[in-house]
Amino acid sequence: AQSVSQHNHHVILSEAASLELGCNYSYGGTVNLFWYVQYPGQHLQLLLKYFSGDPLVKGIKGFEAEFIKSKFSFNLRKPSVQWSDTAEYFCAVNSGGYNKLIFGAGTRLAVHP
Amino acid sequence: KAGVTQTPRYLIKTRGQQVTLSCSPISGHRSVSWYQQTPGQGLQFLFEYFSETQRNKGNFPGRFSGRQFSNSRSEMNVSTLELGDSALYLCASSLVGGQGIHEQFFGPGTRLTVL
Repeated sequence: AQSVSQHNHHVILSEAASLELGCNYSYGGTVNLFWYVQYPGQHLQLLLKYFSGDPLVKGIKGFEAEFIKSKFSFNLRKPSVQWSDTAEYFCAVNSGGYNKLIFGAGTRLAVHP
Repeated sequence: KAGVTQTPRYLIKTRGQQVTLSCSPISGHRSVSWYQQTPGQGLQFLFEYFSETQRNKGNFPGRFSGRQFSNSRSEMNVSTLELGDSALYLCASSLVGGQGIHEQFFGPGTRLTVL
């Protein structure tokens, strides 16, 4: 069965620190990859997505992610976090069509001023 | 453009009852997917509807069902509620369904509490 693994459940950073959140998936075929963010009290929003092409994708708010097929990974990065990045981040995979997203367990990020 | 709307936002039911949740997709979006979010199991796919047809289903019991109307609005129903059904139920819409991958836009969810 397809699965998505997020390595860190809780991450605490100070403002201006760099961020990298790990995401690995288990599926051997063609995949489409997403990072969603859920700010406190808000609904899930798409940060970025990878369908094909350049494996380094840039999203909103300065986030980027790199798809490494050989490692089945899609890690999320941001060079300098802000207090407003405090949120829960979800990695998700879609394969085989039909809009079925498989989500990771999520990573809660807390950024201290 | 209005986002995905879900009603009601909060719901309290007792065990054994049934509940119907509603989702209105973004205008022009024809695919609607439903997800359950709980602290223990995270985000899990329930089912997807496109053109009034269920295209895919997750691993949930038959107590969970849904439908889609000709205007793309969707409802999901949970019968014989159990305590474990307490969750945030999220609806997501996208432009098209079927084969092919499209970005999904999520609604705010319906928080269901089963007592």
